[in-house]
Parts: sequence; structure tokens; C-alpha cells
Amino acid sequence: QVQLVESGGGLVKPGGSLRLSCAASGFTFSDYYMSWIRQTPGKGLEWVSYMSSSGSRIFYADSVKGRFTISRDNAKNSLYLQMNSLRAEDTAVYYCARDTESHSDYWGQGTLVTVSS
Amino acid sequence: QSALTQPASVSGSPGQSITISCTGTSSDVGSYNVVSWYQQYPGKAPKLIIYEVSKRPSGVSNRFSGSKSGNTASLTISGLQAEDEADYHCCSYVGSRVFGGGTKLTVL
Repeated sequence: QVQLVESGGGLVKPGGSLRLSCAASGFTFSDYYMSWIRQTPGKGLEWVSYMSSSGSRIFYADSVKGRFTISRDNAKNSLYLQMNSLRAEDTAVYYCARDTESHSDYWGQGTLVTVSS
Repeated sequence: QSALTQPASVSGSPGQSITISCTGTSSDVGSYNVVSWYQQYPGKAPKLIIYEVSKRPSGVSNRFSGSKSGNTASLTISGLQAEDEADYHCCSYVGSRVFGGGTKLTVL
């Protein structure tokens, strides 16, 4: 069965950096677009970034453009999110999700990122 | 892109039907049939329950149905059950992806 397991979250000071990882299993990872989506405490969901199966197409939300970098290693069945210049408003649970042409069909359990001094 | 608009909360009694709306614009919800809906329990990951406006993934109850009219998509839950109490999020997949603010469903 499809499994997505995020890791790398934690407490970081404003201006700091963090790298999130998502380990995928149960499907052919290299066939799928993948996304990072976040959810602030008690709030709605916000799409952060997605990457095509080959890595050739990448999109970012305006709120993270220039600060976050998405990447993937198809040989390791892994998706990454490098987060730099973190701000308090980046505090959220970060989910990785498998994408199709029209929706995200499987989501991981999420990893919490807290940006605070 | 601005977030899609959902009611903050809806409620219904067991056995009733409820509808949650998701309003966007002609550039997102109104343009293509790429609206999806997710169910989320507290502390859990969202789960896909409707995709491409009205399609149900395998294993999702047929009590859940989706539709669209103009710039507004809707999720209807019929025969409301206690286990349906959760948050529901809509999403449009046009270009970048945009979500609604989420709706909390309370089963009275």
C-alpha cells in the first residue's frame, strides 16, 4: 500500500533553516508528481510546492518563493523540502502528498515545524 | 490566487443530508473539472473523498457526492453519521493549487 512518511520537523529560530524529507513506498515513485502542503494550527491547508516526476517542472507558492527549495531523489524514493530564512508564519504541519493530474490522492501523516525564538 | 471560500461550520442531525459549498472564480473552480474534497479528523492527515468534482475513490462511501455549478462546487453528505464529524477541505488544481479555508462539520 502507498506510504508517505515525513521527517525533519522541529523547533527552529526565525531566520534559521530546516530540511524536510518524505520517504515513499508502495508505488513507483518516479512516475508521480509530488507536493508539499502545509497546515497552520487550527487553520486551513496551503499548498507550498510541487515537482514533476522527473524534477523538470517545479512550482512554488508566492509565500515561500526564493526561500524554499523542493527536490527529489527517485533512486531513494524520497522527496525533500529545504526551508531557509524561516519566519514565524511558516509554523505549520508539513505534509507530503502524491499527485495526479487533478488531485493529491495520498498524504503522509505530516511533520511539525515550529519557528520561534 | 486567493483561497476558495467555504463556510466555517455546518451541522446536521444523524440521518439528515448536508451540503458544503466551495466558491472560487472563473479562473479556478469555474474553469475546469479539477475540484477535489478532503476529509480530515483532528490530528490526522487529510483523506481524499471526491476528485474531479464528482468522482469517488475506491472505498469511499456513496453517501459522499460532489457537484459543481458555475464557480461553486459542493460536497453533499447524505444519511449523516456520527463518524462524519470532521473538517472538510476543497481544492482546485488549476495551475497552482488552491484550497478552501475548511469547514467543520458537527453531527448533532
